[in-house]
Amino acid sequence: GAGVSQSPSNKVTEKGKDVELRCDPISGHTALYWYRQSLGQGLEFLIYFQGNSAPDKSGLPSDRFSAERTGGSVSTLTIQRTQQEDSAVYLCASSLMRGGGGTDTQYFGPGTRLTVL
Amino acid sequence: GEDVEQSLFLSVREGDSSVINCTYTDSSSTYLYWYKQEPGAGLQLLTYIFSNMDMKQDQRLTVLLNKKDKHLSLRIADTQTGDSAIYFCADLSYNTDKLIFGTGTRLQVFP
Repeated sequence: GAGVSQSPSNKVTEKGKDVELRCDPISGHTALYWYRQSLGQGLEFLIYFQGNSAPDKSGLPSDRFSAERTGGSVSTLTIQRTQQEDSAVYLCASSLMRGGGGTDTQYFGPGTRLTVL
Repeated sequence: GEDVEQSLFLSVREGDSSVINCTYTDSSSTYLYWYKQEPGAGLQLLTYIFSNMDMKQDQRLTVLLNKKDKHLSLRIADTQTGDSAIYFCADLSYNTDKLIFGTGTRLQVFP
């Protein structure tokens, strides 16, 4: 596909359950980012991957959050033992390279809306 | 940490110009971006400006950057109802290599 895709588009889960969110970046993009957008808030950086380098996990809010990127392409964000405050839209973005400056811009997927009951 | 601030709401009449403002604190900013988010959708890149530029124009969009005051604005000429959305300002920090987003400005265009 031409853009970043994410699945599922919506996820409703019960408190305490684990969830997995998937991101398919634009083909050829080496950098991949996860953000969280809570109601009425801006985007909160969670984690990013650049090629085969160790990911930058500095934005992950707790050890319940983790992410993987397999084969330098698809990424999965996992939230264990979900809490109600995890309810948000989780956005994935990719860019040609780290930083995404100028024309190496971050392109965003449509997001996954997570609701924890 | 670095911060980006925007006003929350802007309401304009169709056909008028809209000006959305943004301030940031990062002294190491390299690029500044404007993204648009329509309901239920992801972020769409509108335009960006390199930090050593003062102005960039792209069709109906004009970006003005005052680096001294750390002030960025997005002007939309001849605003249409399809421009109704949330507009995010974002700063690419050289120090952290991360995009820092504002909370977004909700633009409402009425007939």
